[in-house]
Amino acid sequence: DAGVIQSPRHEVTEMGQEVTLRCKPISGHDYLFWYRQTMMRGLELLIYFNNNVPIDDSGMPEDRFSAKMPNASFSTLKIQPSEPRDSAVYFCASSTGPQLFFGPGTRLTVL
Amino acid sequence: AQSVTQPDIHITVSEGASLELRCNYSYGATPYLFWYVQSPGQGLQLLLKYFSGDTLVQGIKGFEAEFKRSQSSFNLRKPSVHWSDAAEYFCAVAYSGGGADGLTFGKGTHLIIQP
Repeated sequence: DAGVIQSPRHEVTEMGQEVTLRCKPISGHDYLFWYRQTMMRGLELLIYFNNNVPIDDSGMPEDRFSAKMPNASFSTLKIQPSEPRDSAVYFCASSTGPQLFFGPGTRLTVL
Repeated sequence: AQSVTQPDIHITVSEGASLELRCNYSYGATPYLFWYVQSPGQGLQLLLKYFSGDTLVQGIKGFEAEFKRSQSSFNLRKPSVHWSDAAEYFCAVAYSGGGADGLTFGKGTHLIIQP
């Protein structure tokens, strides 16, 4: 298996622009997680899905953030409009139980 | 709510010396425990995990960790570090109930290896 795939790996955008991050989980995994990593706050769980249904989005920082999982093999995390404080590394992970398998991350820079 | 504490932000160790990274968790029941390693600019790699059974678990790259229920700890150890072990190390905890609710991570310990 190719593991969890994320795209793009790097994204540089200007404040106010819409940003979409993409994730393809490991085939057969029924849980999908979005994490954000910053120097100040470390690794934070933003939202997670079970069988494509959002279960807990209490970690989503603001209404500017939204996540979808239209099918078992694809998820998006969208930020609209983006702000400089959104600059971080965003990780997607998938699992069938408590052990998570992480993707390589998307490094987002908002200028 | 569950939490994870890694009390050491930075640790410097000489190459060839032994290493112990500390991790304490706060959780009412027996948790699932993990150690991940992150090299600069890279993703998270699982070093080892504890679910149940033997409280001393072996992982990759020569690492081991010991679960001590009485101390709510899951410290990571390595008898002899290599320069390539320089990285950020994260301890994480998950609920031991059914399903998956995600991991709660500690803030990480930055390991520096001196030649």
